[in-house]
Formats: sequence, structure tokens, C-alpha cells
Amino acid sequence: NAGVMQNPRHLVRRRGQEARLRCSPMKGHSHVYWYRQLPEEGLKFMVYLQKENIIDESGMPKERFSAEFPKEGPSILRIQQVVRGDSAAYFCASSPGGSDYNEQFFGPGTRLTVL
Amino acid sequence: AQTVTQSQPEMSVQEAETVTLSCTYDTSESDYYLFWYKQPPSRQMILVIRQEAYKQQNATENRFSVNFQKAAKSFSLKISDSQLGDAAMYFCAYRTQGSGTYKYIFGTGTRLKVLA
Repeated sequence: NAGVMQNPRHLVRRRGQEARLRCSPMKGHSHVYWYRQLPEEGLKFMVYLQKENIIDESGMPKERFSAEFPKEGPSILRIQQVVRGDSAAYFCASSPGGSDYNEQFFGPGTRLTVL
Repeated sequence: AQTVTQSQPEMSVQEAETVTLSCTYDTSESDYYLFWYKQPPSRQMILVIRQEAYKQQNATENRFSVNFQKAAKSFSLKISDSQLGDAAMYFCAYRTQGSGTYKYIFGTGTRLKVLA
């Protein structure tokens, strides 16, 4: 059973461009979380999605950032008009879902560098 | 809102010795989960150990154990017989049990160095 997959692993963008980060959850997992890790800091929650629904986006910046998890295909975190402060590692995690204990399984992360 | 505090930015331990990493948290909830994750230079987040708040018994996974003090809101990680491969960033995390969201709240991390 493959783990959580993220691509690309490294992404370089110039200021003002768009960044698209993809996350394929583990097989059978219908819940996806996105976290951001700035240099020398811990992970900060951004958004929690289930298939076709955003459940909690309380950690997502109000502008330029959006996320989706369509019925088919990977979850996408989209950053429009990137700025240098967006440079960070972005981690995706997935879980089977439900209200019982469910561990989140993390992907390897995408390191975004904005020039 | 819940918060997680790791007050030790960096710790060192001699190989084969024991080290304890501290973590405190703040919450008004009675039911929740706590985790320790390891992040080596590869940046992959690796689950080390988990603790359910309703369980009084401290969790143990081989050389890793926790000291969970619910009243004091303390959740420290003890690593016994430290190995060079244990060198990494260690993050403490809190996960709420209710309210429809299961996001993790992470501390700022402790960098563990293992000395040969």
C-alpha cells in the first residue's frame, strides 16, 4: 500500500507566478490535511478537506491560497501570485476519516522556493 | 484555542544514554490525542509514539516512552539507549477529538543531537 504521495518534491517559482501542489492520499483515505512549515519552525495547519468538501480552512490565508479535493484525482493546494514569504515546505497528510481515533499519515512534502 | 509548547530548542545526548524531551500543552478539552513525531533531515514526518488522553497508562514503543501528566498538561518523551539514528527534530502534537476537525497543533520542535 503506497503511502501519501506529493508532487513535485521541489518547486521553484518567481514572484507573481502560480504554484500548484498535489497530494495523493493513501488508498482508502478520504480525509486530507495541508500543513505549512516555515524554515526552523513547526508545522502549521492550513486546511482540512474531505472529498469535494472543505471542512476547516481556518489556517489558510484569506487571499491567494485555495485548496480542493475533487471526487477523482489528487488534492490540490494552489497559491496564486506567489511572494517570497510563501517559501516553505508544504506537507499533506491523509487519514481514513471518521470520528474515532485516526492517525494522520504524512507525505514527504513539497519544498517551494520563490525567487 | 489549544497551544503546544516545546521549551527546549536543542538537546544533546551521548550515544547509549537517556534523554527526555519536554512538551506542555494548553486545552480546555478532556478528550484528545497527543503525538511525538520525528523529522530527520529528509523532512519526512515519522510517528514515534501516540497517547490517548483517556488512558492513564503511559505509552511505550521499544526505546521510546512518554510521561503523560494530564493534570499538569505535560507530555514528555523519553528516549533510552540513544542511537545515532535518533538525531532529528522532534515535534510534539495535539489533536482534538471533537468539533468536527481533527487538525494537529504542533510545537516548535526540539533538535536532538546524538554524540558518538
